[in-house]
Amino acid sequence: QITLKESGPTLVKPTQTLTLTCTFSGFSLSTSEVGVGWIRQPPGKALEWLALIYWDDDKRYSPSLKSSLTITKDTSKNQVVLTMTNMNPVDTATYYCVHTSRRVFRFWGQGTVVTVSS
Amino acid sequence: DIQMTQSPSTLSASIGDRVTITCRASQNVGYWLAWYQQKPGKAPKLLIYKASSLESGVPSRFSGSGSGTEFSLTISSLQPDDFATYYCQQYNTFSTTFGQGTKVEIK
Repeated sequence: QITLKESGPTLVKPTQTLTLTCTFSGFSLSTSEVGVGWIRQPPGKALEWLALIYWDDDKRYSPSLKSSLTITKDTSKNQVVLTMTNMNPVDTATYYCVHTSRRVFRFWGQGTVVTVSS
Repeated sequence: DIQMTQSPSTLSASIGDRVTITCRASQNVGYWLAWYQQKPGKAPKLLIYKASSLESGVPSRFSGSGSGTEFSLTISSLQPDDFATYYCQQYNTFSTTFGQGTKVEIK
């Protein structure tokens, strides 16, 4: 049974750096073609893909946010960490951790709400 | 980025109706198109992948079709559990993108 769970701050101030951790179980991030990524959804708006990291440490980022994102993995801890610098109120959203195999998002975490406000 | 445009944005329908949602890609994405269903306060759920492959456990009233730049999701007979928002996603490139969503409401 594959599960993913997001953790991190619920409130960050503008210009601060957000660090989110995805802790997963039921699969290994050292298995070929498996990846873990992040998707966000501002209140009442559409889904936006942010970043992906694959079993072989290949990393992919949204072109529009690439300069502010870093994704890393700790295979031994079954964790993936996303950092996002220079947070802005428009970054207020629910952030989801996802499992991917061949770029289809079959398993999702429950999501974590992040509010950016002073 | 490849832009994904869904239509309509909102759809009002009754139980038992046949419902079709359209998704158009700004570039050819082949068959690399998925559909997701999202209910309020919940994470999205994968329904269809590779344009027309039904995800395991998803009712057969859901079907997908299309290729290239034009795709559709059809619900053959709308059920109470189907009132939700639906998103398409292209994954032809590593820079995957979603449509803006289609909300299916009760008429």
